[in-house]
Amino acid sequence: NAGVTQTPKFQVLKTGQSMTLQCAQDMNHEYMSWYRQDPGMGLRLIHYSVGAGITDQGEVPNGYNVSRSTTEDFPLRLLSAAPSQTSVYFCASTRSGKNTGYTFGSGTRLTVV
Amino acid sequence: DAKTTQPTSMDCAEGRAANLPCNHSTISGNEYVYWYRQIHSQGPQYIIHGLKNNETNEMASLIITEDRKSSTLILPHATLRDTAVYYCIVMTGTASKLTFGTGTRLQVTL
Repeated sequence: NAGVTQTPKFQVLKTGQSMTLQCAQDMNHEYMSWYRQDPGMGLRLIHYSVGAGITDQGEVPNGYNVSRSTTEDFPLRLLSAAPSQTSVYFCASTRSGKNTGYTFGSGTRLTVV
Repeated sequence: DAKTTQPTSMDCAEGRAANLPCNHSTISGNEYVYWYRQIHSQGPQYIIHGLKNNETNEMASLIITEDRKSSTLILPHATLRDTAVYYCIVMTGTASKLTFGTGTRLQVTL
């Protein structure tokens, strides 16, 4: 049981490049979400999903796209990277309606130059 | 979701109990109190949650006041490894997203 797996762990992008941050969970969790954490700051919600085929925007969705084609995977796409997107990105999941805590991945550290 | 208020920082000596308070005066009847922590550079970790009764698990205890307007997370014997930012979050049990505040930075010292 691997929990929530995020790849890559580190990434450097040039301004304007695009990339996809991967998130996979093997716990059959319906709810998944993406957060970003800037240095010295709290976590802010980017996008979230309550099940396959259903996604919604969080607090800071601009510049990011998501899709949820399977229960297990919830990739985050950066369309055209900007230095302001330099951050640590965390993916999280939990079981719906079971009143349990979220499980977080170990994060992806992204630098946009 | 109800708003929470936590102290910015706290210190605790190793081996002593760490008591982290949280105010949530606007909590609704169907909202739970959740606690998470984030050790430096790692993903947040779920600690414990409760509705109105006190709860205990292998990590911590959660004391909720009778009026449910405040709570206290207790780490009974704090260690250096407990140094982290602790987040108190109030939300319904079926909520589909977490909203983090600024949390309390707990420093455990020798």
